[in-house]
Amino acid sequence: GQNIDQPTEMTATEGAIVQINCTYQTSGFNGLFWYQQHAGEAPTFLSYNVLDGLEEKGRFSSFLSRSKGYSYLLLKELQMKDSASYLCAVRLYNNNDMRFGAGTRLTVKP
Amino acid sequence: DAGVIQSPRHEVTEMGQEVTLRCKPISGHDYLFWYRQTMMRGLELLIYFNNNVPIDDSGMPEDRFSAKMPNASFSTLKIQPSEPRDSAVYFCASSLLAGGRDTQYFGPGTRLTVL
Repeated sequence: GQNIDQPTEMTATEGAIVQINCTYQTSGFNGLFWYQQHAGEAPTFLSYNVLDGLEEKGRFSSFLSRSKGYSYLLLKELQMKDSASYLCAVRLYNNNDMRFGAGTRLTVKP
Repeated sequence: DAGVIQSPRHEVTEMGQEVTLRCKPISGHDYLFWYRQTMMRGLELLIYFNNNVPIDDSGMPEDRFSAKMPNASFSTLKIQPSEPRDSAVYFCASSLLAGGRDTQYFGPGTRLTVL
């Protein structure tokens, strides 16, 4: 089976920094994606890592360590609108077959 | 482009009825995916197509579920007969050729309630 684990819930304060971790054990690996999903809406793409290291995009950064089966999403300067679920997804092979973690529900408080 | 289009957005039906969900992928995308999302199980891949051909349907829960893609611009997911445990949000997603940063683009979803 494919295992992708994330914390269920996190809470942070507006303006702060939060790190959402994801660990995976999958039969294949061809990239890791992070998606954001607001309540009642579809997931939307945030970031992509296929090599080890940090990818930065504005207030969001994503890190990958393939040897450890580990990734994190870092959100800086949190805003209220960042309250959402964040889904970690692993692309298994070179065919866009992706498996998703259960998601981390982030609540940003004033 | 209008993005991935799904219909209906909401469906309420009674146990035993047939349900058909529809999806129009983004024009030019070669892959189409059907997912189911529930609070208990998260986002689960049901089936995906490449160039209209089903590639992996191992996620389809049972024979009551079937999916077709008669052409590059249309796919259906059918549940017959429906059961209360099928209540979930069903997402369709599409993507370009595999590899690189090509990601999946999700439709708005169909919220299915089976009474």
